Amino acid sequence: GNSVTQMEGPVTLSEEAFLTINCTYTATGYPSLFWYVQYPGEGLQLLLKATKADDKGSNKGFEATYRKETTSFHLEKGSVQVSDSAVYFCALKTGANSKLTFGKGITLSVRP
Amino acid sequence: DAGVIQSPRHEVTEMGQEVTLRCKPISGHNSLFWYRQTMMRGLELLIYFNNNVPIDDSGMPEDRFSAKMPNASFSTLKIQPSEPRDSAVYFCASSLSGSFTDTQYFGPGTRLTVL
Repeated sequence: GNSVTQMEGPVTLSEEAFLTINCTYTATGYPSLFWYVQYPGEGLQLLLKATKADDKGSNKGFEATYRKETTSFHLEKGSVQVSDSAVYFCALKTGANSKLTFGKGITLSVRP
Repeated sequence: DAGVIQSPRHEVTEMGQEVTLRCKPISGHNSLFWYRQTMMRGLELLIYFNNNVPIDDSGMPEDRFSAKMPNASFSTLKIQPSEPRDSAVYFCASSLSGSFTDTQYFGPGTRLTVL
């Protein structure tokens, strides 16, 4: 079956620090990969996605590259801001099935 | 465009009472999802519908939980009777399915507290 593994959190960084959040997956077939973000008190929203190997998704300064050989989709940002403080979820989807498989999520706190 | 609308935003009830959560998906979307989020268990998919038909309800915890989608613009999640362990944030999400990369759009959630 499908599964997503995220690194353990929480993560606390200073403003302008470099961010990496690890995500690895197992899937039947060829998945599409997603990062969702949940700001305090809100629902999840799509941050970025990639649909095939070597694709790079990017949004708001965040990037993630679909690595089939390592079954990974790590999230990176060169310089985090206080406003990036949120919970980040890695997820995958296979085939025409609409169901997403989510990782456990990781809390990021950025201090001024 | 309005996003996914959920009501109520907060619900406090006593154990044994019936609770009904409501969701209006984005107009034109044909898939609808109900999730539950707790600190202990994280984000769990309870059930999802495609074209108003339940496709996968394997995540519904037990018979106390039921979900309906009578039409394309409305869905309910009902808990009867409610228990303290049902306290959580319940999210509804919708998507336009059929594409390989359809994006789920989440509502703001309903925070349920069962005393």
